[in-house]
Amino acid sequence: GESVGLHLPTLSVQEGDNSIINCAYSNSASDYFIWYKQESGKGPQFIIDIRSNMDKRQGQRVTVLLNKTVKHLSLQIAATQPGDSAVYFCAEKGPRRGATNKLIFGTGTLLAVQP
Amino acid sequence: GAVVSQHPSRVICKSGTSVKIECRSLDFQATTMFWYRQFPKQSLMLMATSNEGSKATYEQGVEKDKFLINHASLTLSTLTVTSAHPEDSSFYICSAGGERGNQPQHFGDGTRLSIL
Repeated sequence: GESVGLHLPTLSVQEGDNSIINCAYSNSASDYFIWYKQESGKGPQFIIDIRSNMDKRQGQRVTVLLNKTVKHLSLQIAATQPGDSAVYFCAEKGPRRGATNKLIFGTGTLLAVQP
Repeated sequence: GAVVSQHPSRVICKSGTSVKIECRSLDFQATTMFWYRQFPKQSLMLMATSNEGSKATYEQGVEKDKFLINHASLTLSTLTVTSAHPEDSSFYICSAGGERGNQPQHFGDGTRLSIL
């Protein structure tokens, strides 16, 4: 079903530490997943994506892990920096039916990086 | 990379006013665009899918006569909040892209709508 708005959980980390942000997705048929970063007053910014035929994908300082068995997605940020402070959303997309390619967003996690 | 531009970034107006928000894909064509609404400290809620050359598809609970969507070209979709009231105050965000297989959507920077 659709994500319901809730108060954001917060992850507080020290600068330089690694961060792990978790997400439970809803549809076992979803075949594509995206992590977005949203800074205050701005739209979401693409970070990294992964397809359902993969378990892991790495980018620059970020890694996404997908566990389809338990419908779990995680985003790992290495050597977290103050500029990483933002809200992070996971999004899932189900197999295309007709022409729609809409995304379903998770509730989001606020990452607070302490200097 | 793909860029989506949204305008205006902020609107403050009186109750009863209709407000139009524009969403443009700057370097690609978009058959579909998406409109979201976001309340403080909450996730993005999909309002509707804007379809080029045809009617928008609204999510359950979203009033189509309240939120008019027009997608007249492959690079422009507009959302008009008609006769806006204070409860319509929110952050509205559009997105486009991801139409060819598994590719990400890209988002505009949102419009902060405040109805007095």
